[in-house]
Amino acid sequence: AQSVTQLGSHVSVSEGALVLLRCNYSSSVPPYLFWYVQYPNQGLQLLLKYTSAATLVKGINGFEAEFKKSETSFHLTKPSAHMSDAAEYFCAVADFGNEKLTFGTGTRLTIIP
Amino acid sequence: NAGVTQTPKFQVLKTGQSMTLQCAQDMNHNSMYWYRQDPGMGLRLIYYSASEGTTDKGEVPNGYNVSRLNKREFSLRLESAAPSQTSVYFCASSKTSGRVSYEQYFGPGTRLTVT
Repeated sequence: AQSVTQLGSHVSVSEGALVLLRCNYSSSVPPYLFWYVQYPNQGLQLLLKYTSAATLVKGINGFEAEFKKSETSFHLTKPSAHMSDAAEYFCAVADFGNEKLTFGTGTRLTIIP
Repeated sequence: NAGVTQTPKFQVLKTGQSMTLQCAQDMNHNSMYWYRQDPGMGLRLIYYSASEGTTDKGEVPNGYNVSRLNKREFSLRLESAAPSQTSVYFCASSKTSGRVSYEQYFGPGTRLTVT
C-alpha cells in the first residue's frame, strides 16, 4: 500500500531564506507524486507533479521538487521565501494505474519577516 | 470555467440531523472524490466515483453515503450526523485515461460543525 510521510508539521523560515519541505513515500511500483498548497480557508491547489518524466520538476510560484528513487523522496524547495508562501503544503502519492491519491498529514509553513 | 463548486460553504447541524453536501464540476472529468480534512490528519478519502454510475468506498466511509447524479455532480449525504463528523469536506475531480494518474482539482470546501 502506498503511503506518504511529511517530516515536520510546522516549518518556519525567514523571508528570503531557502524553503525545504520534506516528503518521503512508500510505493511498490513507480509512483506519481504531487505537491499541493492550501491557503487559509481555501481548497487545495496543485503546485507541481512528477509523472516519471524529468526527475527535477518545476512548479508554480518558484517551487520545485526532485524525485529521488534511491531515497524514496520528493522534497519541495524554493530558493527564496516570500511572505505570500505562508500556507499549508501537502505531498500526495498515487501508484501507477491507481487514480486515488494518498496524502501526507501536511506541513504548515510560516514566513518570518 | 467555475472548476469545482461546493455548497454550502458552512453548516451547523445538531446530532442526529441529516444533510447533503453538493458538488459539481464543469471540466468534463470522469472521476470525482469526497475527502474530509481534520487537523493533523491530512486529507482522508471518504468515497470516490471513477465514472458516472459507479461509486466506491475510500478510507473513512462509515456514516456517509454518496450519489453520482450525473457526470457533473457528486453528492455526499450524512444520514444521522455525529460530532465526530465535524470537519472540513472537500470535493475534487480529475480526468482519467487508462492507467495514468492525473492531478485532482479541489473545490473550496464545506466547513461542517455538528453539535
